[in-house]
Amino acid sequence: GAVVSQHPSRVICKSGTSVKIECRSLDFQATTMFWYRQFPKQSLMLMATSNEGSKATYEQGVEKDKFLINHASLTLSTLTVTSAHPEDSSFYICSARLSENTEAFFGQGTRLTVV
Amino acid sequence: AQTVTQSQPEMSVQEAETVTLSCTYDTSESDYYLFWYKQPPSRQMILVIRQEAYKQQNATENRFSVNFQKAAKSFSLKISDSQLGDAAMYFCAYRRTRGGGADGLTFGKGTHLIIQP
Repeated sequence: GAVVSQHPSRVICKSGTSVKIECRSLDFQATTMFWYRQFPKQSLMLMATSNEGSKATYEQGVEKDKFLINHASLTLSTLTVTSAHPEDSSFYICSARLSENTEAFFGQGTRLTVV
Repeated sequence: AQTVTQSQPEMSVQEAETVTLSCTYDTSESDYYLFWYKQPPSRQMILVIRQEAYKQQNATENRFSVNFQKAAKSFSLKISDSQLGDAAMYFCAYRRTRGGGADGLTFGKGTHLIIQP
């Protein structure tokens, strides 16, 4: 299957700072990328859908000013958690796909800890 | 909004035996995709099997097969000849066929599968 790389795999940041997570499709062009959040022992919750060259579509209840998503190229999307707080600590996972008719492949996830 | 329900938080099976994981969903759409994903301790999401709603034939992938009952909105996963490497969290997921660019996956809460040696 295709490879989606997420970086960093782990990050610890201080409360009030911002942190950026990258999601790259290594061997295909991803027209759409998705960002999910997973709390411990819970399911994945879709945060937003990102289409290359356009603004992200956020799910209800997700603060777009707090979770900034950029999809500037066909191989890279970034999620920036702004003014992070301890309650933002979670596991963030991206996925990417070539088109609506193709499978979406997942990155390995990023564990964010805000102290 | 679509919902996906997995009513079994945890299942346990003896190695080499067969286990079935349950999933029901709710949607008003007529065409959609259904998936089973495996999440081992590494937390990497791995696609196990995929079913298109318009296909009546149940999908199979080696030891993994599904029982797709569209009218009942049921999508169970059967794992035959269970192996120790099958131990993981299993998530059932739903996706619209045509989402206009906003069609991420809706996941169930997951079933923790334990394989007893």
